[in-house]
Amino acid sequence: AQKITQTQPGMFVQEKEAVTLDCTYDTSDQSYGLFWYKQPSSGEMIFLIYQGSYDEQNATEGRYSLNFQKARKSANLVISASQLGDSAMYFCAFHLSGAGSYQLTFGKGTKLSVIP
Amino acid sequence: ETGVTQTPRHLVMGMTNKKSLKCEQHLGHNAMYWYKQSAKKPLELMFVYNFKEQTENNSVPSRFSPECPNSSHLFLHLHTLQPEDSALYLCASSPTGGSDYGYTFGSGTRLTVV
Repeated sequence: AQKITQTQPGMFVQEKEAVTLDCTYDTSDQSYGLFWYKQPSSGEMIFLIYQGSYDEQNATEGRYSLNFQKARKSANLVISASQLGDSAMYFCAFHLSGAGSYQLTFGKGTKLSVIP
Repeated sequence: ETGVTQTPRHLVMGMTNKKSLKCEQHLGHNAMYWYKQSAKKPLELMFVYNFKEQTENNSVPSRFSPECPNSSHLFLHLHTLQPEDSALYLCASSPTGGSDYGYTFGSGTRLTVV
């Protein structure tokens, strides 16, 4: 079974600074995808960014980028120019590619607090 | 508006009550999911429906009973729950079962069992 580890229960960042949220995964499979979601206090899970295991370039979406190091099995999220609205829980999730594979396996999350 | 709507947003029920959670999506997705999010635990997949057929049940107790009448609607029927069932219940959908192209989540139903 796949395992996702987020080692930072909580992080603080100054407004306008960049922050990196760590995520490592454990799998013996070659074809998979990695997701990052943001969950504000309202409860909704908001999709941020996706990285496929065969993607040659790191994924970027606006202020979000994913630092994908396949050999190290890490998929860290980098948020640039932090904003107060970025304060939320952030979850890394793993998905095994292929037909019949349905499950997203989530890490325990990191609570990010942006300081004015 | 996330595209996946869950009702109610909050629910308090006694252990002998029967209630239902509703999830609706109009994204044209074919797969729908129920996840449970308890305090200080990772999200846990409960059920998966693909083209209205249940394809996964992650050893969920029978006091949780899902229903998927069509690809746009998903219900979770609750009866004789326990206090430890108190959690945030999230519904999600995706274009196909097991899609790499993203899951869309609803805002969740925060359930308290008293």
